[in-house]
Amino acid sequence: NAGVMQNPRHLVRRRGQEARLRCSPMKGHSHVYWYRQLPEEGLKFMVYLQKENIIDESGMPKERFSAEFPKEGPSILRIQQVVRGDSAAYFCASSPVGQDNSPLHFGNGTRLTVT
Amino acid sequence: AQSVTQLDSHVSVSEGTPVLLRCNYSSSYSPSLFWYVQHPNKGLQLLLKYTSAATLVKGINGFEAEFKKSETSFHLTKPSAHMSDAAEYFCVVSDIMKGAQKLVFGQGTRLTINP
Repeated sequence: NAGVMQNPRHLVRRRGQEARLRCSPMKGHSHVYWYRQLPEEGLKFMVYLQKENIIDESGMPKERFSAEFPKEGPSILRIQQVVRGDSAAYFCASSPVGQDNSPLHFGNGTRLTVT
Repeated sequence: AQSVTQLDSHVSVSEGTPVLLRCNYSSSYSPSLFWYVQHPNKGLQLLLKYTSAATLVKGINGFEAEFKKSETSFHLTKPSAHMSDAAEYFCVVSDIMKGAQKLVFGQGTRLTINP
C-alpha cells in the first residue's frame, strides 16, 4: 500500500510565478491536510479537505493560496504570485476518518524555493 | 487552544547512552499527544501516540514516552542511542476542530548522536 505521495519533491519558482503542489493520499483515505514548515520551525496547519469540500482553511494565508481536492485526482495546493517568504517545505497528510483516533500519515513533502 | 513546548532545540548524546527529549503541553482537556521523527529531507514518521490509555507509551525503534498530568509533560526517552536516531523530533498535540484532527507542533528538537 503506497503511502502519501507528493510531487514534485523540489520546486523552484521565480518571484511572481505560480506554484502547484500535488498530493495523492493513501489508498482508502478521503481526508487530506496541508501543513507548511518554515526553516527551523515546526509544521503549521494550513487546510483540511475532504473530497470536493474545504472543511477548515483557518491556517491558509488570506491571499494567493488556495487548495482543492477534486472528486478524481490528487489534492492541489496552489500558490499564485509567489514571494520569497513562501519558500518552505509543504507537507500533505491523509487519514481515513477525521477523528482523533486516526494518526495522520505524512508524505515526504515538497520543498519550494522562490528565487 | 492547545500547545506544546519543546524545552531543548538541540540535544547531543553519545552512541549507546540514554536519550531524553523534553516536552510540556498545555491543554484545557485530556489531550492526545504524539511524537514524530523527521529524518533529513524526509517526511514525518509517527514514533508513538498517547490517547488516555496507559500513561507509559511504547513506540517504534525502542522509544517510549510517559504522560505525566501533574507535570503536564510528555518526555521522550530511549535507553541507548543509535547513530540512526539522529534526526529532528517533534512533540505534537492534537486539537479537534470541525471534525479535523489538527496537529499542533512544537518547534522541534534536533538530536545529534556522537560516535
